[in-house]
Amino acid sequence: DAKTTQPPSMDCAEGRAANLPCNHSTISGNEYVYWYRQIHSQGPQYIIHGLKNNETNEMASLIITEDRKSSTLILPHATLRDTAVYYCIVRVGGRGSTLGRLYFGRGTQLTVWP
Amino acid sequence: KAGVTQTPRYLIKTRGQQVTLSCSPISGHRSVSWYQQTPGQGLQFLFEYFSETQRNKGNFPGRFSGRQFSNSRSEMNVSTLELGDSALYLCASSPGTGGRNEQFFGPGTRLTVL
Repeated sequence: DAKTTQPPSMDCAEGRAANLPCNHSTISGNEYVYWYRQIHSQGPQYIIHGLKNNETNEMASLIITEDRKSSTLILPHATLRDTAVYYCIVRVGGRGSTLGRLYFGRGTQLTVWP
Repeated sequence: KAGVTQTPRYLIKTRGQQVTLSCSPISGHRSVSWYQQTPGQGLQFLFEYFSETQRNKGNFPGRFSGRQFSNSRSEMNVSTLELGDSALYLCASSPGTGGRNEQFFGPGTRLTVL
């Protein structure tokens, strides 16, 4: 699986958009980009994932560059409860693929301040 | 739908003992993965089960083992516990294997080895 690079920490004012970058320059064509977050000592929470196209759900938006070498997770209106470690992961896809493991790096500690 | 449940939530054992942790996946999910999280190593993949078969295994010693039952519930066992096995053990369930299937995590079991 491709490795990812994320800044170790970021901060954001409450109510503003939080834009979390991720580099995955060695990503392969069948690897998905996943984002999870983990609030202290809880299980990681799935946020969003995508392959090529930009994706949006009720939690966030995922912007993937055309060459797929980087992506940005956008939390449109950050709240204090969004303070967490955010993990960007690439994961092999494919029908019947058994390579489903998630490789977690160190992630980005996002701090939302009032 | 109920989420992923893990039992017990907290466990204290002594060196040399063995321990069994349990995971009940989301209803309808057939894939269960296990991860270990420590402050030093972060989140590391242990193994993945699908249809009662181990499909994927991380780089852990043979003291770590698991199994999956016909109802998709899974157990993991650690024998001859060492101090370094103290960690948060997380279980994740998924509808299937492969990158297009998001994994949903349980709250974890906090194991302390004295």
